[in-house]
Amino acid sequence: AQTVTQSQPEMSVQEAETVTLSCTYDTSESDYYLFWYKQPPSRQMILVIRQEAYKQQNATENRFSVNFQKAAKSFSLKISDSQLGDAAMYFCAYRSAQGGSEKLVFGKGTKLTVNP
Amino acid sequence: GAGVSQSPRYKVAKRGQDVALRCDPISGHVSLFWYQQALGQGPEFLTYFQNEAQLDKSGLPSDRFFAERPEGSVSTLKIQRTQQEDSAVYLCASSLWTNTDTQYFGPGTRLTVL
Repeated sequence: AQTVTQSQPEMSVQEAETVTLSCTYDTSESDYYLFWYKQPPSRQMILVIRQEAYKQQNATENRFSVNFQKAAKSFSLKISDSQLGDAAMYFCAYRSAQGGSEKLVFGKGTKLTVNP
Repeated sequence: GAGVSQSPRYKVAKRGQDVALRCDPISGHVSLFWYQQALGQGPEFLTYFQNEAQLDKSGLPSDRFFAERPEGSVSTLKIQRTQQEDSAVYLCASSLWTNTDTQYFGPGTRLTVL
């Protein structure tokens, strides 16, 4: 079974600075998807960024980018120019590319605090 | 259209009571998922529907948990004889069709069992 590990329960960053959240995963599959979701205090989970394992190029979405290291099974999220609205729980998630395995497997999350 | 909606947003039940949680997916979304999120934890998969067919229920923790989606749109998660360990946020998500599509989440239902 696949597992996702987020080793940083809490992180903090100064407004306008850059922060990196860590995520590692364990799988025997070669094709899969990785995601970062944001969950603000209101609880609605929002997709931040996704990465297809077959793509070597790291995904980027505006101020958010990932460092995907397939061999190391590492998938970190970098937030540049941090804003107060970035404060939330961040969850790393894995999904198999095999048919019939549509569920997301989540890590335990990292709570990000943004200091003004 | 509108996002995924869930009702009620909060539910308090006495131990032993039955509860029913509702999920309205995004219109046209074929796939629907239920997750359970305990306090301070990441969501954990419960069950998955494709249209009205329940294709995976491997995450349901006991036979007290039952989910249905009879017409392939709205889904209900039912918990019978609730226990204190059932206290959690129950999240519903939907996606358009295939495994490649993004899952969109609802706001969740916070269940507290006293």
